[in-house]
Amino acid sequence: LAKTTQPISMDSYEGQEVNITCSHNNIATNDYITWYQQFPSQGPRFIIQGYKTKVTNEVASLFIPADRKSSTLSLPRVSLSDTAVYYCLVGDPSRISSGSARQLTFGSGTQLTVLP
Amino acid sequence: DSGVTQTPKHLITATGQRVTLRCSPRSGDLSVYWYQQSLDQGLQFLIQYYNGEERAKGNILERFSAQQFPDLHSELNLSSLELGDSALYFCASSLTGTEGGDEQFFGPGTRLTVL
Repeated sequence: LAKTTQPISMDSYEGQEVNITCSHNNIATNDYITWYQQFPSQGPRFIIQGYKTKVTNEVASLFIPADRKSSTLSLPRVSLSDTAVYYCLVGDPSRISSGSARQLTFGSGTQLTVLP
Repeated sequence: DSGVTQTPKHLITATGQRVTLRCSPRSGDLSVYWYQQSLDQGLQFLIQYYNGEERAKGNILERFSAQQFPDLHSELNLSSLELGDSALYFCASSLTGTEGGDEQFFGPGTRLTVL
């Protein structure tokens, strides 16, 4: 079972780049790494997903080193509205192990606060 | 709006009672996931269903059970409720859950308060 570790909180200023790292030492071969954003009293929202190397979309980049034991979410030029909790999820909900089912593991989340 | 609906939005009940939370996935999604989020536990995965069958199981208590119906909606049943069961319960859905790394779409959640 892949356990994940993230910083509890981070502060940044508007316009800066923010990097949030998630450690997942026990990641399995078939596991994907997905990042979600959550605002208070709302459901998490998908940001980005990757398996290895680097992935970029319109809102973020995800860097995954070759050993895949960690991943870094990069948010370019953050704004006040990016203040939220960011979760790292490691797992592969498509896989069924014979005799047992895989779990999905969310990290504890990182509270990002963007200051003016 | 993620397209996932959950009812009710709020639920207040007493210890020892039983409640049912309902989730309707996005149109076309075959997988449904249930999560519990409490202040001191973060986001905990409970269980996943795919096309009516249980697919993955997390830290779901024996007092809790879930099912997915032929129309793909899902229900989470919580029984013998305790004060510690007070939490936000989220449902999420994804397209298939059969390909690695399906994106999950989360509903607005049901806030359960046990008094």
